[in-house]
Amino acid sequence: DVQMTQSPSSVSASVGDRVTITCRASQDIGSWLAWYQQKPGEAPNLLIYSASTLQYGVPSRFSGRGSGTAFTLTISSLQPEDFATYYCQQAHSSPVTFGQGTRLEIK
Amino acid sequence: QVQLRESGPGLVKPSETLSLTCTVSGGSMSTYYWSWIRQSPGKRLEWIGYVHYDGSTNYNPSLSSRVTISMDTSEDQFSLKLTSVTAADTAVYYCARTCTNSLCYNYWGQGTLVTVSS
Repeated sequence: DVQMTQSPSSVSASVGDRVTITCRASQDIGSWLAWYQQKPGEAPNLLIYSASTLQYGVPSRFSGRGSGTAFTLTISSLQPEDFATYYCQQAHSSPVTFGQGTRLEIK
Repeated sequence: QVQLRESGPGLVKPSETLSLTCTVSGGSMSTYYWSWIRQSPGKRLEWIGYVHYDGSTNYNPSLSSRVTISMDTSEDQFSLKLTSVTAADTAVYYCARTCTNSLCYNYWGQGTLVTVSS
């Protein structure tokens, strides 16, 4: 299985801050990476796929970069609704695997 | 707008079979992969497997000996069966649909909590 490791596991930030979350794959997955946002009691919501393509309807303050084994999700200016848990997911090989999550908290 | 909704028992006894159904509305079931994904309390999302419209399936090897995912296109539904459950199978179970050209997931059900307990 491809192991996905996110860092940090949690981060505290303020409204207006720029935040970057990192995801590393245990092997080369090309650009087959997606990012999700999950709020308590809700299903995950797709933000970015193919490492850098913004899902329709997702605000442009979200952006993704990377390829191979190293990827980042950046939120350029945090809004109150962005405080949630974020997961990366590799779609390169079976079984599909997810990172352990990064919890973004209000400072 | 595509919508998915899980249904099934919220409580299953140890050693019995967990059975869930996902009803799809607002879109065709063709072309895509229809998956089950679960999330145990405080843990990461775990992919269980998928069924494709053509009937092909693919399961997580960690669960493959106990999992069956099937589709009933006449009812716009797909189902999960997980046999010989234990407390470790307690989780929120989500059904989800893949993106058009990738194994990302752009449509999810709201999730259903299944507790394994006697």
